[in-house]
Amino acid sequence: AQTVTQSQPEMSVQEAETVTLSCTYDTSENNYYLFWYKQPPSRQMILVIRQEAYKQQNATENRFSVNFQKAAKSFSLKISDSQLGDTAMYFCAFMNPRGGGSNYKLTFGKGTLLTVNP
Amino acid sequence: AAGVIQSPRHLIKEKRETATLKCYPIPRHDTVYWYQQGPGQDPQFLISFYEKMQSDKGSIPDRFSAQQFSDYHSELNMSSLELGDSALYFCASSFGQGKAEQYFGPGTRLTVT
Repeated sequence: AQTVTQSQPEMSVQEAETVTLSCTYDTSENNYYLFWYKQPPSRQMILVIRQEAYKQQNATENRFSVNFQKAAKSFSLKISDSQLGDTAMYFCAFMNPRGGGSNYKLTFGKGTLLTVNP
Repeated sequence: AAGVIQSPRHLIKEKRETATLKCYPIPRHDTVYWYQQGPGQDPQFLISFYEKMQSDKGSIPDRFSAQQFSDYHSELNMSSLELGDSALYFCASSFGQGKAEQYFGPGTRLTVT
């Protein structure tokens, strides 16, 4: 079974600064997807960014980028130019899209609560 | 752009009652997933449907059942409700099983008293 670990329960950053959220995972699969979801106080789950394991290039979406280290099974999220609206719980998630059975579900980490301070 | 619709948004039930949660996926999405998020917890996978067939099952109690209809909307039926069932229930949809990211609805907050 896959496991996802987020070792930072809480983090804070000053507005306009850069912050990195950590995520590690454990799997024996070679092909899989990794995601970061954001959950603001509204509790809506918002997809931030995704990474396919077969792609060596790190995914980027505007101010959000990842550092994907497949051998180390590490998938960190970097938020540049932090904004007050980035304050939220951030969940790292894993999905194995092949093999059927229980492999299409998202497995989430416990989350990191990020607070952006003015 | 159209998003996943869930209804109702809030639901209050008493113990041993029954609840039905509805999910309307994004148009053209053929796969629906249900997740349960307890207070202070990460979302936990319950069940999924692809092309109206159950495709995967997680830690869903036997008291719960679900189905996907011909128009691709899905319903989660919960019976003999317990206090521990109080949670935020998310529906997510995707196009193609396991081929794309899942987009989440706003959730249904169920409170069992």
